Amino acid sequence: QKEVEQNSGPLSVPEGAIASLNCTYSDRVSQSFFWYRQYSGKSPELIMSIYSNGDKEDGRFTAQLNKASQYVSLLIRDSQPSDSATYLCAVTPSLGGTSYGKLTFGQGTILTVHP
Amino acid sequence: DAGVTQSPTHLIKTRGQHVTLRCSPISGHKSVSWYQQVLGQGPQFIFQYYEKEERGRGNFPDRFSARQFPNYSSELNVNALLLGDSALYLCASSTRQNNEQFFGPGTRLTVL
Repeated sequence: QKEVEQNSGPLSVPEGAIASLNCTYSDRVSQSFFWYRQYSGKSPELIMSIYSNGDKEDGRFTAQLNKASQYVSLLIRDSQPSDSATYLCAVTPSLGGTSYGKLTFGQGTILTVHP
Repeated sequence: DAGVTQSPTHLIKTRGQHVTLRCSPISGHKSVSWYQQVLGQGPQFIFQYYEKEERGRGNFPDRFSARQFPNYSSELNVNALLLGDSALYLCASSTRQNNEQFFGPGTRLTVL
C-alpha cells in the first residue's frame, strides 16, 4: 500500500463547477497535510495546509481533513481554466523521529477545467 | 521577499560524472529539504537539513550527499551519475523542521 494515494485522473470539470480532489494516507499518526498545485514544467506551489479535523477555507479553496478515515480532500469552487494543473497531496509523519519534516507526496491528480 | 532560489536551472551531464546543485532558502528560513521528481510522479524526499544538521534522509544511495552552510544555503551533490538520476531536483525551505515548505523553481538534470 502506498503511503499517500491519489486518483491520478485526469479529472475534467467544466468552468464554474466544483472540482473535488481526494487523497488517502496510510500512517494513522500523520501530523500535517498539504495541497500543492504544479503547473506543467514548474515547481509545486503550496495552496493549502491543514492540521486538524474539519474544513479550512481560503478563497475558492476548501481543504477537508478526516483523521479517523485517513482522508484529506481539496474542493475548488468556481473552477477556472487557470486551475488546470496537477494537484499534489503531501503528508508529514508523526512528531519526532528522523523523518520529522519529510513530506511524502501522492502521485498527483491532473485537473483539467474546460471552458 | 525573494523566494527560494536554485542554480543552475538546467544541467546536462554524462554518466559517471558528478554534479552539485545549489539552493538559497527564503530569508529567515532555517530548514532546507531536497526532493527528486521524475515525470509523472510526486516529489521524493532526499534530505532535510535544519540548523546546519542533517535531520532526515530518504531512500537514496550514498552517491547522494548534501550539506547546509552557516547562511542556511545548501548544496546537493550526486556522484557517479546514472541515467536514472535524470529528474527535476527541488529544494524547499521552511522556518522550522516541520512547517510549511516552499519550493524553488528546481534544477532540471539530464544525464546522457
